[in-house]
Amino acid sequence: EDKVVQSPLSLVVHEGDTVTLNCSYEVTNFRSLLWYKQEKKAPTFLFMLTSSGIEKKSGRLSSILDKKELFSILNITATQTGDSAVYLCAVAVGNEKLTFGTGTRLTIIP
Amino acid sequence: EAGVVQSPRYKIIEKKQPVAFWCNPISGHNTLYWYLQNLGQGPELLIRYENEEAVDDSQLPKDRFSAERLKGVDSTLKIQPAELGDSAVYLCASSHTNEQFFGPGTRLTVL
Repeated sequence: EDKVVQSPLSLVVHEGDTVTLNCSYEVTNFRSLLWYKQEKKAPTFLFMLTSSGIEKKSGRLSSILDKKELFSILNITATQTGDSAVYLCAVAVGNEKLTFGTGTRLTIIP
Repeated sequence: EAGVVQSPRYKIIEKKQPVAFWCNPISGHNTLYWYLQNLGQGPELLIRYENEEAVDDSQLPKDRFSAERLKGVDSTLKIQPAELGDSAVYLCASSHTNEQFFGPGTRLTVL
């Protein structure tokens, strides 16, 4: 059975701090790993990673994948209150099915 | 570009009643997904369509859940009869390549 595990489950930091969110996986026929941000409604797409060691960056967010150790991290630098959300990691396998982790709930204190 | 549209946004019903959710995917997206998301959990796939064909419905509880995508565009997910444990957010997503775009979801409460 495909499995995606995220840690920590929740995280509370002060505005301006840097955070690292973790995602490890055990799946058959890996295709890609995706990060989503979910506030009060639909998950919104952040990154898709397919190759090891290549960092993807968007503003203060960045992510990297390690296909040998089967994990990915999502970094957020200089956090802002608008970064408060649940961050979901999902892995796409050969038949394009997405398996999601339970998410990390990030709370930024002003 | 319009996103994935879902309705209703909220639904409250009594147990044993039927309920239906509607999804209109992004134009041109052939793949449509229905997910169930419980509180504090990630979305779990219920069914995936390629055009009008259900290519993965292995997680759909077929005794009470059904779905259709008759013309390969809009889709409907139905529960009959609803149970208390069906209370959750039902998310619809569509994709053209690997990136899935999610709708706002329907929050179902079964009393």
